[in-house]
Amino acid sequence: SQQGEEDPQALSIQEGENATMNCSYKTSINNLQWYRQNSGRGLVHLILIRSNEREKHSGRLRVTLDTSKKSSSLLITASRAADTASYFCATAPNTGTASKLTFGTGTRLQVTL
Amino acid sequence: DAGVIQSPRHEVTEMGQEVTLRCKPISGHDYLFWYRQTMMRGLELLIYFNNNVPIDDSGMPEDRFSAKMPNASFSTLKIQPSEPRDSAVYFCASSSFPNQPQHFGDGTRLSIL
Repeated sequence: SQQGEEDPQALSIQEGENATMNCSYKTSINNLQWYRQNSGRGLVHLILIRSNEREKHSGRLRVTLDTSKKSSSLLITASRAADTASYFCATAPNTGTASKLTFGTGTRLQVTL
Repeated sequence: DAGVIQSPRHEVTEMGQEVTLRCKPISGHDYLFWYRQTMMRGLELLIYFNNNVPIDDSGMPEDRFSAKMPNASFSTLKIQPSEPRDSAVYFCASSSFPNQPQHFGDGTRLSIL
């Protein structure tokens, strides 16, 4: 099964509102990353949070990590139509030299005017 | 600064034909990843290379799939013979260090008729 599972699968909000997406994972991690994918394009890295961090900010993005619950959330404040995309979490394992990221199933965000 | 470049962007071919997908990673990136994305299975890692050497090919679905990286600036993913169930978007990504953010190309949309 997928290491990361996003919730909700789809989210529709109006411009100006905040959007919150959640990610749960199963195993110990080195870090957790969030990516955005616009329709027909590749994934774009947004933010990385390390396992010893609890919160991180980047512009309108706020990410939290709770390793005890094996979960993370991505908050986009004051959303814009341009934020319409799919958002994925990806976990980096905390084991040896493994270099694989495991991606979740994604949240489709629709921001309407 | 050029990103990851994939070609072709679209490929439509008949079942049984050989398909070759190409990728040029970002210069200086030592890690190269091939992914497949479908609605049913999400984003799956097929294989990744470190310094042109295949490290983990456990995601390659079957012997019909093969990947090579003859030098630091070029990789191919080949499917021979192709089948309709291979239809998907194939992404190439590269990164500088293990478990760090990956840079994705815009993918090859493959349709096998």
